[in-house]
Amino acid sequence: SQQGEEDPQALSIQEGENATMNCSYKTSINNLQWYRQNSGRGLVHLILIRSNEREKHSGRLRVTLDTSKKSSSLLITASRAADTASYFCATEGNTPLVFGKGTRLSVIA
Amino acid sequence: DGGITQSPKYLFRKEGQNVTLSCEQNLNHDAMYWYRQDPGQGLRLIYYSQIVNDFQKGDIAEGYSVSREKKESFPLTVTSAQKNPTAFYLCATAGTGYEQYFGPGTRLTVT
Repeated sequence: SQQGEEDPQALSIQEGENATMNCSYKTSINNLQWYRQNSGRGLVHLILIRSNEREKHSGRLRVTLDTSKKSSSLLITASRAADTASYFCATEGNTPLVFGKGTRLSVIA
Repeated sequence: DGGITQSPKYLFRKEGQNVTLSCEQNLNHDAMYWYRQDPGQGLRLIYYSQIVNDFQKGDIAEGYSVSREKKESFPLTVTSAQKNPTAFYLCATAGTGYEQYFGPGTRLTVT
């Protein structure tokens, strides 16, 4: 299995600070995706980065991918209380998406 | 949650009973997926279907069954053979892109 492993498991920050979450995986991938889940809800796709890309931006989100280290990071800048959620990385290779266990982010107003 | 409907939101069953979870989509997506999520855990793939009348087992298919008779529908049956069925079940779809779109989920409690 090429399950991603997020780090840290939980993160608590003040509103306005930046939040960084990391994801490591085991085998070669075609792309890596980040999803967000509010408590008790379905997941929402945030951003996809392909294996030949190194960095991607979307609004306040910045994702990096280092295929040599088999790792990715998600940076949320200027965090807001509404960013409080769990964030999952998911990798796609020769099998359907495989999800990690997630990072639980709490943004304190 | 877009055009994906899962019903009901909460479901309670007695041990030994089969139960069917509904997933309907109006996104015209070919691929549909069922995941199971346990507290504090990630998603684990149960079954997926990339086209009507065809489906494949995921990582934890034992004790579950599916059908894909229509493009819009991908029901999941949790059978009595599933040893620990209490969980949050999520249905997802995918179109021509790689990203998946998720329904709101069904929380199943078996006692």
